[in-house]
Amino acid sequence: RKEVEQDPGPFNVPEGATVAFNCTYSNSASQSFFWYRQDCRKEPKLLMSVYSSGNEDGRFTAQLNRASQYISLLIRDSKLSDSATYLCVLPNTGNQFYFGTGTSLTVIP
Amino acid sequence: NAGVTQTPKFQVLKTGQSMTLQCAQDMNHNSMYWYRQDPGMGLRLIYYSASEGTTDKGEVPNGYNVSRLNKREFSLRLESAAPSQTSVYFCASRAGTLNSPLHFGNGTRLTVT
Repeated sequence: RKEVEQDPGPFNVPEGATVAFNCTYSNSASQSFFWYRQDCRKEPKLLMSVYSSGNEDGRFTAQLNRASQYISLLIRDSKLSDSATYLCVLPNTGNQFYFGTGTSLTVIP
Repeated sequence: NAGVTQTPKFQVLKTGQSMTLQCAQDMNHNSMYWYRQDPGMGLRLIYYSASEGTTDKGEVPNGYNVSRLNKREFSLRLESAAPSQTSVYFCASRAGTLNSPLHFGNGTRLTVT
């Protein structure tokens, strides 16, 4: 099993819709989790950090389910500008990170 | 706030040429990283430096060397470029505490012909 797994999508949703992505992880000892957003041919940008049960920032909510070992990212009221690839990232016990392969989102007018 | 700065943004090399990708961060971060990203693939770690004076190999180090010049700067060198090294290269840094996230530079788009 991979350390971090994401559904690659693509998710195509209409403007205003609510969409959720899941990210499963294999290391039950993981303490912190990050969601990044990556636009085409650009660098990943930190969207949210999750250290406990979850986090919320405006239209974005991240929830952690330790029992089932997954974190989710919920986007409410989708905007065209939300179209991007969303990466799930976990630090390992050393000094490195595990990256998901990313979930592609396209918001359609 | 400059964050993580990479130079150059674009580069075209011929097979066998050498070059150095530069990376600097102004956030006083301890750890720095070099990743490559190829179409349809995730980010792969080339080398990293947990702290000033140390460097370690990542997943795909062959064909690359690095230098942690000081706390701010971490350079990546291609001694003899090959077409397989055509990629987008990202430098990143983190504070060094266990729960701190990565901060990425804008990337260098390298083409080797």
